[in-house]
Amino acid sequence: KAGVTQTPRYLIKTRGQQVTLSCSPISGHRSVSWYQQTPGQGLQFLFEYFSETQRNKGNFPGRFSGRQFSNSRSEMNVSTLELGDSALYLCASSWVRGPKNTEAFFGQGTRLTVV
Amino acid sequence: AQSVTQLGSHVSVSEGALVLLRCNYSSSVPPYLFWYVQYPNQGLQLLLKYTTGATLVKGINGFEAEFKKSETSFHLTKPSAHMSDAAEYFCAVSGRGNKLVFGAGTILRVKS
Repeated sequence: KAGVTQTPRYLIKTRGQQVTLSCSPISGHRSVSWYQQTPGQGLQFLFEYFSETQRNKGNFPGRFSGRQFSNSRSEMNVSTLELGDSALYLCASSWVRGPKNTEAFFGQGTRLTVV
Repeated sequence: AQSVTQLGSHVSVSEGALVLLRCNYSSSVPPYLFWYVQYPNQGLQLLLKYTTGATLVKGINGFEAEFKKSETSFHLTKPSAHMSDAAEYFCAVSGRGNKLVFGAGTILRVKS
C-alpha cells in the first residue's frame, strides 16, 4: 500500500510569488491535514479537509489556503510568499475523522525556501 | 484546548543506556496521545499511541510509554539506546478530532 505522497519534495520561490503544494493520501483515506514545520515555531496545524470540505483551520493568514478533490487528493496554496513562509510543509492522511480516528500518516514533506 | 510540553529540547545518552523523553499534556477532553519520530529531511513516523484502555503502550523499535492521567504525563522510554535512535521525537495530543497539537520536540543524541 503506497504511503502519503507529497510533491514536489523541494521548492525555491521568490518573495511575492505564489506556490501550490500537492498531497496524495493513502488509498481509502478521506481526511487530509496540513502542517507547517519551522525551527522557530515547530509543528503547527494549518487546516484539515474531509470529503472536499475544510473542517478545521489553524491560526494562519488568509494567504494560506487549500482544497480537496473528489479523489481525496489535496493541494495547499500560499500566495504572496514571505521569507517567513520558508518551512517544511507536511501532509497527513487519516481514513476517517472524529473519535474513531486514531492515527495520522505523514508524508515526507515539501521543503519550501523563499528567497 | 490542548497543549503539550516536552521537557528538554536536547537529550544525550550513551549507547545501551536508558532513554527517557518527557511529555506533559493539557487537554479539556480525554486525550489521544502520540509519539512520533522524525529523521533529518523526513516526515513523521508514528512510534506509539494511547487512545483508550491499557495505559502502558508499546510501540515500534522497542519504545514504550505510559499514560498517567494524575500526572498528565506520557513519557517515552526505551531500555537500551541504539545509535539508530538518534532523531527528533515529538509528543502530540488530539482531542478526538484530526488536529494534532505537537510539543516542541526533543532531539535525542546517542553517544558511542
